[in-house]
Amino acid sequence: DTEVTQTPKHLVMGMTNKKSLKCEQHMGHRAMYWYKQKAKKPPELMFVYSYEKLSINESVPSRFSPECPNSSLLNLHLHALQPEDSALYLCASSEGQNGVQFFGPGTRLTVL
Amino acid sequence: AQTVTQSQPEMSVQEAETVTLSCTYDTSESDYYLFWYKQPPSRQMILVIRQEAYKQQNATENRFSVNFQKAAKSFSLKISDSQLGDAAMYFCAYRSATTGGGADGLTFGKGTHLIIQP
Repeated sequence: DTEVTQTPKHLVMGMTNKKSLKCEQHMGHRAMYWYKQKAKKPPELMFVYSYEKLSINESVPSRFSPECPNSSLLNLHLHALQPEDSALYLCASSEGQNGVQFFGPGTRLTVL
Repeated sequence: AQTVTQSQPEMSVQEAETVTLSCTYDTSESDYYLFWYKQPPSRQMILVIRQEAYKQQNATENRFSVNFQKAAKSFSLKISDSQLGDAAMYFCAYRSATTGGGADGLTFGKGTHLIIQP
């Protein structure tokens, strides 16, 4: 199984809502990542988890809260988002030693 | 900080022809990885090819090959016998190899939109 899955595929939320994005992989990878991608732009790194611990936070606003409940699962909790947070949110995982990151299909988020 | 530059926002090639996408990068590190990822309109980011900086031999994957020039910090992608399914946004990406456990994110270039003319 070389797949990273993400749910939901699409999400529309209001600025006062609380929602969560979910990412799952069963490749035994110990590093997992969240990226944000605006239209016609490259992905930008948000968070990195290594061995279930947060190792990198790229100065992301606190309205985004990552969580890694176990080695296969990565969540991104969303609260009080702004319309400019509308984007494609990509999850990736990496075995670590060979450098390759495998990406999920993404969640298209729209904040109204 | 590392930077990755793709100077061609868009490229067009006839089906079955060869096209080369350019990428340059800037880093003070000696050990790192370079990648080309493809993102079709369906949006799933797919790995095309990977190069380890300490390897002098250029990576090849079927119709895809790279020209890695470490001293010049250049990493171009050549696609031979272009096919309609190659149409996508292509991103060049850099990853440090110095962090233990592989927990470094990718730094992407701005991307090159590749159009395949039938």
